[in-house]
Amino acid sequence: SYDLIQPPSVSVSPGQTATITCSGNKLGDKFACWYQQKPGQSPVLVMYQDTKRPSGIPERFSGSNSGNTATLTISGTQAMDEADYYCQTWDRTTAVFGGGTKLTVL
Amino acid sequence: QVQLQESGPGLVKPSQTLSLTCTVSGGSISSSTDYWTWIRQPAGKGLEYLGRIYSSGSTNYNPSLKSRVTISVDTSKNQFSLRLSSVTAADTAVYYCARMSDRFDYWGQGALVTVSS
Repeated sequence: SYDLIQPPSVSVSPGQTATITCSGNKLGDKFACWYQQKPGQSPVLVMYQDTKRPSGIPERFSGSNSGNTATLTISGTQAMDEADYYCQTWDRTTAVFGGGTKLTVL
Repeated sequence: QVQLQESGPGLVKPSQTLSLTCTVSGGSISSSTDYWTWIRQPAGKGLEYLGRIYSSGSTNYNPSLKSRVTISVDTSKNQFSLRLSSVTAADTAVYYCARMSDRFDYWGQGALVTVSS
């Protein structure tokens, strides 16, 4: 099976840049997506096909994917960005999610 | 705007079958080129993909659960359903239905299912 590894937690000060990584074998050869989940809510797609933002997602969210690592970057992080973030890709026809990263905005 | 809503029993006994239905509004399952999927999340844990179905009835399941999962579609009702057999406490989770192309772009609000006697 294919595994995606994320750091359990990342902390950032308001206004600074948050970087959340997702590692998997040759992940750069696949497309990666990112989901934001706030407590008690359903996940929300914030990035797809590595670098594309869905409509309504602020420009401060950006993504990249190369080698074995996909990265979600949040520039000028705001308090409202505090949430769990999950990366996701495909292993043949099975969706695989990373374990999630809790982003804390201190 | 596509909306999805899960429904079904919130409590299931061990060894029995969990059944949930997802009702889609704001779009037709049968005319969509997307897949319709189920994902679950145990309390305090991450997301686990269960499987998907196309409007034609074609399915793919997560190999880790394949022997216990069945997903079906009723295009006349614009619904698709999940059945998970032989449940144990480990199947206690919030179950989400979601629309999928190459990403999960619309999600239901989630349905908590507890497995307990």
